[in-house]
Amino acid sequence: KQEVTQIPAALSVPEGENLVLNCSFTDSAIYNLQWFRQDPGKGLTSLLLIQSSQREQTSGRLNASLDKSSGRSTLYIAASQPGDSATYLCAVVVSGNTPLVFGKGTRLSVIA
Amino acid sequence: DGGITQSPKYLFRKEGQNVTLSCEQNLNHDAMYWYRQDPGQGLRLIYYSQIVNDFQKGDIAEGYSVSREKKESFPLTVTSAQKNPTAFYLCASGSSWDRGLNQPQHFGDGTRLSIL
Repeated sequence: KQEVTQIPAALSVPEGENLVLNCSFTDSAIYNLQWFRQDPGKGLTSLLLIQSSQREQTSGRLNASLDKSSGRSTLYIAASQPGDSATYLCAVVVSGNTPLVFGKGTRLSVIA
Repeated sequence: DGGITQSPKYLFRKEGQNVTLSCEQNLNHDAMYWYRQDPGQGLRLIYYSQIVNDFQKGDIAEGYSVSREKKESFPLTVTSAQKNPTAFYLCASGSSWDRGLNQPQHFGDGTRLSIL
C-alpha cells in the first residue's frame, strides 16, 4: 500500500529565507505527484503537478522536483514571504483517475 | 468560473440524525472524491466515483454513503452509524486526460461538521 511521508511536520523561518519541504513515498510506480497549499479552514489549492516522466516543475518562486527511483520529491520555496505561511501537502496518484494518497503535510510559518 | 462548490460551509448533526453534504462541479470532470480531514491526520479517502452511477469505497467508508446520479454532483451522507463524524470534509474532482496529460485535482472549500 502506498504511503506518503512529509518531513518536517512544522517549520518556522524568517522572511526572505529559501527553504525546502520534503516528501517521500514507498512505491515508486506513481502516475504523478502533486503539491498543494492549504490555508486554515480552507480547501486545497494545487501548486504544482509533476508527471511521472518529468524531473521538475516551476511556478514563480516555487520549484518541485521528483526522483521516482528513490521515492522522493522536494518543494523549494525561494525568498519566503509571510504570505507563504500555510500547510503544504504532497500527494501521489498511482494510476488514471485513482484517488490521491496524501502525506500529513508540513505547516510552514514565515516570520516577518 | 469553473470550480467545485461545497455546501453548507458549517453543519451540525444531532444524535441519530443523517446529514447530507453537497458537492457540485462544473469542470466536466469524470471523477469525484470525498476526503475527511482530522487535525494531525492528513486527508483520508471516504468514497470516490470515476463515472456516473458507479462509486467505490475508500479507506474509511463505514458510516457514510454516496450517490452519483449526475456527472456534476456527488453528495455525501453521514449516517447515524458514523459515531465520530466531527471533521472537515473535502470534495475533489479530477480528469486524467486532457490532450494526453494528467491534470491536477481540484478541491472545494470544505464543510465543517460538528456534533450538537
